[in-house]
Amino acid sequence: DGGITQSPKYLFRKEGQNVTLSCEQNLNHDAMYWYRQDPGQGLRLIYYSQIVNDFQKGDIAEGYSVSREKKESFPLTVTSAQKNPTAFYLCASSMYRTYGYTFGSGTRLTVV
Amino acid sequence: AQSVSQHNHHVILSEAASLELGCNYSYGGTVNLFWYVQYPGQHLQLLLKYFSGDPLVKGIKGFEAEFIKSKFSFNLRKPSVQWSDTAEYFCAVPMKTSYDKVIFGPGTSLSVIP
Repeated sequence: DGGITQSPKYLFRKEGQNVTLSCEQNLNHDAMYWYRQDPGQGLRLIYYSQIVNDFQKGDIAEGYSVSREKKESFPLTVTSAQKNPTAFYLCASSMYRTYGYTFGSGTRLTVV
Repeated sequence: AQSVSQHNHHVILSEAASLELGCNYSYGGTVNLFWYVQYPGQHLQLLLKYFSGDPLVKGIKGFEAEFIKSKFSFNLRKPSVQWSDTAEYFCAVPMKTSYDKVIFGPGTSLSVIP
């Protein structure tokens, strides 16, 4: 079955460490996205990519980095510069310029 | 800046009650609108979407939404809720300047009591 796989489901890291969240899709979607979900704030866009080797900052990109070397993969690195990294991170994909996202199941990151 | 607002943060209903969740967006012109649902422990999934045409849109599981252009609204409705409708509901709108970027509302948490 086609879909988006995010791993791991839960992740714990010490403050000051960088951590990379995985997102893989087999839907042949062109566009991929990373959102952060916090209680009462909805989903906020971190980064998005419309094609391979290209990506744009979203509304809250500071402290995060991404790469898009393959169409299927869009990993997100949470760096030590992110002041409040503890959150639920969602990856999504869509066909370019068509609407309606397919979401992954999310990664809950806890920084201690 | 473009924004999406949802009127209710948390709604509690008894089974068989009617549901209406409010959603307002901040800009006019051509607009596409979505409602997503996140059931406990599950993925966010698309509930329904409006692109054009009939402003009354029907989605999965008996949900519908009405686009009212003059009110910049896209309220979600269901005539009779079930316990299984307990979930978080998000209204969403693509950005006017970049259709691949979607703005989500803050979400409404619905609890249905059996």
